[in-house]
Amino acid sequence: AQTVTQSQPEMSVQEAETVTLSCTYDTSENNYYLFWYKQPPSRQMILVIRQEAYKQQNATENRFSVNFQKAAKSFSLKISDSQLGDTAMYFCAFMKIDYKLSFGAGTTVTVRA
Amino acid sequence: DTEVTQTPKHLVMGMTNKKSLKCEQHMGHRAMYWYKQKAKKPPELMFVYSYEKLSINESVPSRFSPECPNSSLLNLHLHALQPEDSALYLCASSQVRGRKIDTGELFFGEGSRLTVL
Repeated sequence: AQTVTQSQPEMSVQEAETVTLSCTYDTSENNYYLFWYKQPPSRQMILVIRQEAYKQQNATENRFSVNFQKAAKSFSLKISDSQLGDTAMYFCAFMKIDYKLSFGAGTTVTVRA
Repeated sequence: DTEVTQTPKHLVMGMTNKKSLKCEQHMGHRAMYWYKQKAKKPPELMFVYSYEKLSINESVPSRFSPECPNSSLLNLHLHALQPEDSALYLCASSQVRGRKIDTGELFFGEGSRLTVL
């Protein structure tokens, strides 16, 4: 079974600053996908960024970037130039090819004005 | 159209009622999912349908009965639920390539918030 660990239940960041969320996972698979999903309060969950395990290059999406360390089984998310709209719960997630998406416990990010 | 639409948004039911949750997508996705989410917790997978056939059942109690009438629709039939079943029920869909996932991205609906009295 795959496990995904997010060790930071809550993070607070000043607007325009940078925050990094940590995620580690455990798997014996070689091919898999990693994701960060964002769930704003009372709103739907949306994909922030994805990484395919066979790609060494770290994924980036505008202000969001990841640091993927396959050997260490680490997948952290960096949010640069934080905005008030970034306030949400962030879930790290892992998927093999069998459709099962396993989520971490989540990190609540609050961006302060 | 990149939406997954869930109805109803809110549902209150007694333990003896029978109700259904509905989910619809028109993105041509052939994998559809039901997740259960408690407050401030991650979603927990319940069921996965691939090409309208049930491919994963995460040992969900039989009081939850999924149905996939066609490639765009997914239902969750509820009967004799317990108060601990109160939660947000999320539907999601994803594209597949053959029998394998494509990008792996799941598109989620806003959820149906269920309260069992």
